[in-house]
Order: sequence, then C-alpha cells, then structure tokens
Amino acid sequence: GAGVSQSPSNKVTEKGKDVELRCDPISGHTALYWYRQSLGQGLEFLIYFQGNSAPDKSGLPSDRFSAERTGGSVSTLTIQRTQQEDSAVYLCASSLAPGMGHQPQHFGDGTRLSIL
Amino acid sequence: AQSVTQLGSHVSVSEGALVLLRCNYSSSVPPYLFWYVQYPNQGLQLLLKYTSAATLVKGINGFEAEFKKSETSFHLTKPSAHMSDAAEYFCAVTPRGSSNTGKLIFGQGTTLQVKP
Repeated sequence: GAGVSQSPSNKVTEKGKDVELRCDPISGHTALYWYRQSLGQGLEFLIYFQGNSAPDKSGLPSDRFSAERTGGSVSTLTIQRTQQEDSAVYLCASSLAPGMGHQPQHFGDGTRLSIL
Repeated sequence: AQSVTQLGSHVSVSEGALVLLRCNYSSSVPPYLFWYVQYPNQGLQLLLKYTSAATLVKGINGFEAEFKKSETSFHLTKPSAHMSDAAEYFCAVTPRGSSNTGKLIFGQGTTLQVKP
C-alpha cells in the first residue's frame, strides 16, 4: 500500500519568500507529525495532529512556522519569510492513534529545503 | 527533560563483524524506545521498538536490541554486518502515559560504515 507521501522532494527558494510543504499520510492514520532534520540540530519535533483535537505546536521554532491539517488527512507546513537557518529536511510521519505512545510512526522521504 | 544519547557519531566495522550501536536514555521512568534507520535521501524506517514485553527485542534485517533498566540503555546489535547495513541509525524515545502524544525525541544519530 501507499506510504507517507511528501511534496515537493526538493525546494530551493530565496530568503524572505514563503514556502509550503505538503504531507499526505497513510490512509487511516489519525496521527500526523512534522519533524525537522538539520546538520546542527539533528531531528527535532515540530508539530503533532491527532484527529480533531487541537494540535501540539510546542516544537515550532518561531511564529513564522505554521501548519494545518484539512479533513483529518493532508497536512501543509508553511514557513513565512524564510531565513537561511530554515534550510533543512522536513520529515512528515503518520501513525495510528498514539494511545499509550508506542504506535510506530511511518515516515515520508522528506522535503529538502534550501534557502539561498 | 527527556534526552537520548548515542555514543559515537560514526562507527566502522568490517563486513561480517559484530555491529554494536549504543543508546542511553535519561528518564527515571523507562520510556518507549525505538531504533530507526535512514538510508541516503530517504525517510526513517523502523527497525524495532521496546514497549514493555521481553527485554530482548528482535527487529528487521537481523537487528536486535536489549533493554537494560539498570543501565538506562537500549543498545542495537547485529551479529554479522552486511554492506547493505551502511546507513544512519537513530535511537528515539517517547514517554509513557495516557497523555503522551507519541512525539519522538531522537538521539544525534550514528553513521554505520561497513568495510568490505
């Protein structure tokens, strides 16, 4: 079956521009996560969606970052006024409802974002 | 705050040799523990997870890990390395509890090199 799909796979943009990254989770997975992978910071949690509950935004690094999940499926991560330090690979993962927390997360191949 | 330490950012072994990748966690209450592998330009793939059953966990591709509460460790091993095992390996944790969202806290990763 289809895994987690992310688009675009690569994005190059100029500093100051806005970017949108898309994640299409596995069908039936109610939980969706965004992570950022960068050389300096490693893998960091950004935001979590579960069903219709309010998202956990505790990992978003600044108010330039936002995300939404429409219809409990596709999610979009938006970065406004991009800065060079935003350059990273943005990974999306989905899982069944976390319950007690040990549902395995399935990752997409990521979007490699480069800010010039 | 919960943290994960992977000793050794790079590990090099010969093909056929034992693979040992180290992971220690910081919490007093054992979390859920995971090992993920990442091949170049791909997302993360789950190797194995520890929830609360047997302390020796078997995963895919011949890998296994042993949970040792007294040492707060969850080291990953494979008896005989293959060239195809060359990749980056991440240890990750998520706290237990009904309020847990399942968001993962990652170690810094260990790059495994396999020499012919």
